[in-house]
Amino acid sequence: EVQVLESGGGLVQPGGSLRLSCAASGFTFSSVAMSWVRQAPGKGPEWVSTISFAGDTTYYADSVKGRFSISRDNSKNTLYLQMSSLRAEDTAAYYCAKGGARTKFDYWGQGTLVTVSS
Amino acid sequence: DIVMTQSPDSLAVSLGERATINCKSSQSVLYSPNNKHYLAWFQQKPGQPPKQLFYWASTRESGVPDRFSGSGSGTDFTLTISSLQAEDVAVYYCQQYHSAPFTFGQGTRLEIK
Repeated sequence: EVQVLESGGGLVQPGGSLRLSCAASGFTFSSVAMSWVRQAPGKGPEWVSTISFAGDTTYYADSVKGRFSISRDNSKNTLYLQMSSLRAEDTAAYYCAKGGARTKFDYWGQGTLVTVSS
Repeated sequence: DIVMTQSPDSLAVSLGERATINCKSSQSVLYSPNNKHYLAWFQQKPGQPPKQLFYWASTRESGVPDRFSGSGSGTDFTLTISSLQAEDVAVYYCQQYHSAPFTFGQGTRLEIK
């Protein structure tokens, strides 16, 4: 059974940093692209970032470029999102999704909530 | 960037009746080497992550009831529910995964009339 499980969310002050993790199982993690998608309260999903299966190609939404960094450890079947210079508008549920870059986003985790507030 | 525009924003349909949701992309999402449209449909219920219903515009994900269908080509796509059931109440999103940024439509809220 495919599973992706996010962790690392929480309350952080504006300008602060946070690292999200996503533990994957039930599929060959090292063979697929992975993505982060966020959803602010009451809003639709917003794609944040995608990383290729090998980790050598990354994509970012303009809204997070230069502040967020996606990475993966294929030996640990884990995806990461390092977030810095956080703003109030980054407040959202952050979902880890299997897929991205011409690969369907077919499995999503339950999300981890990030709240940026003083 | 490819802009995805859904219509309508909300829709109320009687149980057993047909529901139709439209999605228009500002550019083609056709990938010529394989002639596939990189367009997906998602269903989201309160408190849950989005669930993929279709990919490549019309390929149904495993386990999705066959009252759901996806169609379209070029820049115009449609999600149809042939006979609305109570459990279909949700917000529906289209998404293009052809090129970054992998954009979503604004969503269509489907309710029971």
